[in-house]
Amino acid sequence: RKEVEQDPGPFNVPEGATVAFNCTYSNSASQSFFWYRQDCRKEPKLLMSVYSSGNEDGRFTAQLNRASQYISLLIRDSKLSDSATYLCVVNPQYNFNKFYFGSGTKLNVKP
Amino acid sequence: EAGVTQFPSHSVIEKGQTVTLRCDPISGHDNLYWYRRVMGKEIKFLLHFVKESKQDESGMPNNRFLAERTGGTYSTLKVQPAELEDSGVYFCASSQGGQGVNTEAFFGQGTRLTVV
Repeated sequence: RKEVEQDPGPFNVPEGATVAFNCTYSNSASQSFFWYRQDCRKEPKLLMSVYSSGNEDGRFTAQLNRASQYISLLIRDSKLSDSATYLCVVNPQYNFNKFYFGSGTKLNVKP
Repeated sequence: EAGVTQFPSHSVIEKGQTVTLRCDPISGHDNLYWYRRVMGKEIKFLLHFVKESKQDESGMPNNRFLAERTGGTYSTLKVQPAELEDSGVYFCASSQGGQGVNTEAFFGQGTRLTVV
């Protein structure tokens, strides 16, 4: 079983739509969680960390459900510039960045 | 401030040859990581340096891969001899030292390796 699983998509949505991605992880002892964004042929960049209480950053909301071992990312009022691959990242350790990556979910926002 | 830089950006080599990838982390970052993505798969951890010491090399696929970080600054990842299945994108990342669950890791743009 993979450490981190994501729906690869693509999710094709119109501008202004709300879209949500889920990701499940297998290690119940995992310590920290992130969403990274990766544009085509670019490096992954941190979008947001995911806290136990849930957190919001502008149009983006991240949630963590430890009981069901999944994290989610909600994007409201999608922009064309949101088109990218969104990587679910789990760190099983308390320290350092030994990440387990999901395969990524591709989002296409269309005019 | 310069980010994580990797060289070369692309490399095409023949099976059996040797290739050396280089990573320059952000200045002052003690932690340096190597990851790779092979075609159609997710990005996977290879190894982690704290300064010049290997903290964790559990992700290294086999003994054809050798990583070094002499002096605790830049790092090299050598593949010798290269095999077809080594093709992929090799990412380097760095983060500041010390304990911290959410210490951000910054990625380089990657080296795209093609073994033919």
